[in-house]
Amino acid sequence: AQRVTQPEKLLSVFKGAPVELKCNYSYSGSPELFWYVQYSRQRLQLLLRHISRESIKGFTADLNKGETSFHLKKPFAQEEDSAMYYCALSGPSRNKLVFGAGTILRVKS
Amino acid sequence: GAGVSQSPSNKVTEKGKDVELRCDPISGHTALYWYRQSLGQGLEFLIYFQGNSAPDKSGLPSDRFSAERTGGSVSTLTIQRTQQEDSAVYLCASSLTSGIEQFFGPGTRLTVL
Repeated sequence: AQRVTQPEKLLSVFKGAPVELKCNYSYSGSPELFWYVQYSRQRLQLLLRHISRESIKGFTADLNKGETSFHLKKPFAQEEDSAMYYCALSGPSRNKLVFGAGTILRVKS
Repeated sequence: GAGVSQSPSNKVTEKGKDVELRCDPISGHTALYWYRQSLGQGLEFLIYFQGNSAPDKSGLPSDRFSAERTGGSVSTLTIQRTQQEDSAVYLCASSLTSGIEQFFGPGTRLTVL
């Protein structure tokens, strides 16, 4: 079964501190992994996907197949990073996304 | 151009009534998805349309839920005989084709009293 686990409902850090949002997945094949973000009063939008291997807004995420993880990291958090973050996976048919429960990131000044 | 739009933005209904939720995808996007976001839970896949192919209905929670997509564009999600547990935000997304970035609409917040 496909499953995405985000163990933290809320992560609160101070501005300038490093951030790591955890994501673990369960999938028997080779999934594609994504991070989506929803800022306050805005719609859900793609932050990054593992195949592009790029850094967006200072965030990076590395797919670790051995640990089945896709943690989202940023070395120095900014207040504007405060949002809800969802980890998601897509199977080979690419016909749907399976989402985790989401983590609220709160960056305090 | 315009993004994915959904209507209504909010819907309050009484238990047992039927509701229709509408989604207008981005023009030219062949893939359309419906998800449900319940309080304290992640987004739950409901149904997927790709071009003229038969839809993937594997995520629909019961036979009270149905969806159609007319002319490969606008989609309507219908919930019959609504129950309180149907209360959620219903999100629609579209993509140029499957496997490409999904663009989400603002959602419809459904409250069943």
